[in-house]
Amino acid sequence: QQPVQSPQAVILREGEDAVINCSSSKALYSVHWYRQKHGEAPVFLMILLKGGEQKGHDKISASFNEKKQQSSLYLTASQLSYSGTYFCGGYSGAGSYQLTFGKGTKLSVIP
Amino acid sequence: DSGVTQTPKHLITATGQRVTLRCSPRSGDLSVYWYQQSLDQGLQFLIQYYNGEERAKGNILERFSAQQFPDLHSELNLSSLELGDSALYFCASSVVGGSSTDTQYFGPGTRLTVL
Repeated sequence: QQPVQSPQAVILREGEDAVINCSSSKALYSVHWYRQKHGEAPVFLMILLKGGEQKGHDKISASFNEKKQQSSLYLTASQLSYSGTYFCGGYSGAGSYQLTFGKGTKLSVIP
Repeated sequence: DSGVTQTPKHLITATGQRVTLRCSPRSGDLSVYWYQQSLDQGLQFLIQYYNGEERAKGNILERFSAQQFPDLHSELNLSSLELGDSALYFCASSVVGGSSTDTQYFGPGTRLTVL
């Protein structure tokens, strides 16, 4: 089963904040976040390991709640360059060699 | 630039035809993954190879096949093409594959249009 992302789409004005959630019905060993601009390849943002860690990358950060099997991506003071579709992907455990992606969240930042 | 290369960038063909997509992984990466992305759809995992051996299969049709060669480049073969096969096909590579900390880096993709 693929992770479920919410919301499906969000529109922000420059400078506003957003949160994108990713939930899994299966236990995850790690969560991977990617951003994809239209017609381009997904670009790796960050990886979170089980253990409840939180990471940051510029003004984009994320957390992983192992108990809830939920990861959240936080975008603060959004910039026009943040526009794109954000995908979370999960590794569900030993012997699982594939990263299963959610359907994505389309983020549009407007001036 | 992720270091993963894919050719061709665009491919237009007719139904019933066969095409081959090519991928060269980043230097040092042993695993190659293939994904299909249809219009406004997410990334559907097709198949993974590690050091020449098939390691995992996803939702790959029987009309599709892939292989990884000794120099680690990979090819995805799509045959008896149908209109519904029109999509972006991405290749990704990672150092090992199968580790929860292994990061996949995506190539620029091949846009396939079946007419």
